[in-house]
Amino acid sequence: GEDVEQSLFLSVREGDSSVINCTYTDSSSTYLYWYKQEPGAGLQLLTYIFSNMDMKQDQRLTVLLNKKDKHLSLRIADTQTGDSAIYFCAESIRGSQGNLIFGKGTKLSVKP
Amino acid sequence: GAGVSQSPSNKVTEKGKDVELRCDPISGHTALYWYRQSLGQGLEFLIYFQGNSAPDKSGLPSDRFSAERTGGSVSTLTIQRTQQEDSAVYLCASSSRTGKGETQYFGPGTRLLVL
Repeated sequence: GEDVEQSLFLSVREGDSSVINCTYTDSSSTYLYWYKQEPGAGLQLLTYIFSNMDMKQDQRLTVLLNKKDKHLSLRIADTQTGDSAIYFCAESIRGSQGNLIFGKGTKLSVKP
Repeated sequence: GAGVSQSPSNKVTEKGKDVELRCDPISGHTALYWYRQSLGQGLEFLIYFQGNSAPDKSGLPSDRFSAERTGGSVSTLTIQRTQQEDSAVYLCASSSRTGKGETQYFGPGTRLLVL
């Protein structure tokens, strides 16, 4: 079955890099996503990667995919206090109609 | 050019009462999804609509939950005879069509508390 795992908490200092990790179990995953949720707000799509890619970079964000180990990571360079939020990893699996399977989210705290 | 909106933003109800949660998707989006976010449980997929049709209702937690969509736009999620375990944030998302890789845009959610 499908399962997405993330560590629950990460704390970094402002200016450092943050790396949020995710593992998934379904090898038929086709798209993998990172969403950000700020307090009291809905989910904001940060980026996604297609499963035949190894890496995707978008400004301060770098996504790495290790398909063999079913491991996905999100690196945020030069982390700012405004990056404090919960980050969700999600997968869209083959045969689905686009509904997403989410991890439980990693709460990122950025200390000044 | 508004995004996905949901109402009410917060709902407190007594156990056993019925509640209706509303979702207004982005105009022109044919696909609409409902998720539930429970404390410590992450996001759980409930149901999706392609147009007014919901091909797969197997994600709904029990027969107390139902959803409909009319006119290919607004959707309503109804919970009958609410229980305390129904307390959660109910999130709605829409995308231009169903399918993998289609960006889902989420609303702010409805926070439901069942006393």
